[in-house]
Amino acid sequence: QQQVKQSPQSLIVQKGGIPIINCAYENTAFDYFPWYQQFPGKGPALLIAIRPDVSEKKEGRFTISFNKSAKQFSLHIMDSQPGDSATYFCAASSDSGGYQKVTFGTGTKLQVIP
Amino acid sequence: EAGVTQSPTHLIKTRGQQATLRCSPISGHTSVYWYQQALGLGLQFLLWYDEGEERNRGNFPPRFSGRQFPNYSSELNVNALELEDSALYLCASSLFLGPPSEAFFGQGTRLTVV
Repeated sequence: QQQVKQSPQSLIVQKGGIPIINCAYENTAFDYFPWYQQFPGKGPALLIAIRPDVSEKKEGRFTISFNKSAKQFSLHIMDSQPGDSATYFCAASSDSGGYQKVTFGTGTKLQVIP
Repeated sequence: EAGVTQSPTHLIKTRGQQATLRCSPISGHTSVYWYQQALGLGLQFLLWYDEGEERNRGNFPPRFSGRQFPNYSSELNVNALELEDSALYLCASSLFLGPPSEAFFGQGTRLTVV
């Protein structure tokens, strides 16, 4: 079964810190790796995504690092703020076959302390 | 433009009852996906509907069913509710076989079975 393993389950950092969330996948056919941010009472929203032809992608304070040979990718949040407190999900899929093919990690609950 | 909307926001049912959850996709989207988000388990794929047809289902028992209406809105029905059905139920919409980057989630329905 295709799986995406995510760690840690929860994370507490102080404001300004750099939380790092890690994910590992098994299926080498995956070619699209998104991260979602979910606030309490809300649905997940696409935050940032990467494809395996690049090793890093930055959007604002959010950076994805991708290691194709290790089949791992991670999310870094620079200068974290209390407003970043949310649950973060990694995911993986092929870019064809529709959204049903997206496999999600189990989520990381991040708390940023002022 | 309105996003994906789900109703009700919260639903409390007794074990053995039936629950009906509703989802309205983004205008122009024909595909609706249903997910179960139970505590600590991430997002588990339930069902995919497009053009009124069930296209695929995840590893859930037959008491989880649904339908899609001509206006592309969708209903998820859960029969013979069990305590472990308590979860956040999310729907997402996209174009048929559209890229994952262009699928969007609703805010979810929190189902509590007592």
